[in-house]
Amino acid sequence: DAKTTQPNSMESNEEEPVHLPCNHSTISGTDYIHWYRQLPSQGPEYVIHGLTSNVNNRMASLAIAEDRKSSTLILHRATLRDAAVYYCILSSNFGNEKLTFGTGTRLTIIP
Amino acid sequence: DTGVSQDPRHKITKRGQNVTFRCDPISEHNRLYWYRQTLGQGPEFLTYFQNEAQLEKSRLLSDRFSAERPKGSFSTLEIQRTEQGDSAMYLCASSLGGRKDGYTFGSGTRLTVV
Repeated sequence: DAKTTQPNSMESNEEEPVHLPCNHSTISGTDYIHWYRQLPSQGPEYVIHGLTSNVNNRMASLAIAEDRKSSTLILHRATLRDAAVYYCILSSNFGNEKLTFGTGTRLTIIP
Repeated sequence: DTGVSQDPRHKITKRGQNVTFRCDPISEHNRLYWYRQTLGQGPEFLTYFQNEAQLEKSRLLSDRFSAERPKGSFSTLEIQRTEQGDSAMYLCASSLGGRKDGYTFGSGTRLTVV
């Protein structure tokens, strides 16, 4: 499985944008970039995914570097409910293979 | 559909006892996964099923662990002769092949072995 590298922790002020980076220098051409987050005492939940182009949904935006070796999850206006561990995962066969999690980035929101 | 359900949410057991956890996936999902998560770590893959067939088992899954998915619906994970090192959150997820947002996780069963 291709690996990803994320900072262990980040802090952000409430109502400000948050940029969560992920490096994946060994990404293959067929790998999609997935982001999941895990709230306290919950299982991980899907946030967003992308292949090459930047993506937006109601939860977040995903900015993918032109060479695809890195990506950034953007929370446009962080709330206290966004405090969670965020995982960046590569998968080329979505829904058909296990997800391999790293240790993720623990995001703390400061009121 | 209410998502992936896991039962129980918490289990405290004495070392040496057997425990069984249940997972009810989203009904149309054909794949079901079990993960284990310890404090400060990401979930670690244990095993997965496609319908009723168990297709892959991690080396983490010792002989004391067994999982079943009879009839391709719910799944059970049994741990025999529990050890303190088995204390963890056990997560279940299901997916439908080809769906890009397809992995849905349950809230997990937290096992404490005393």
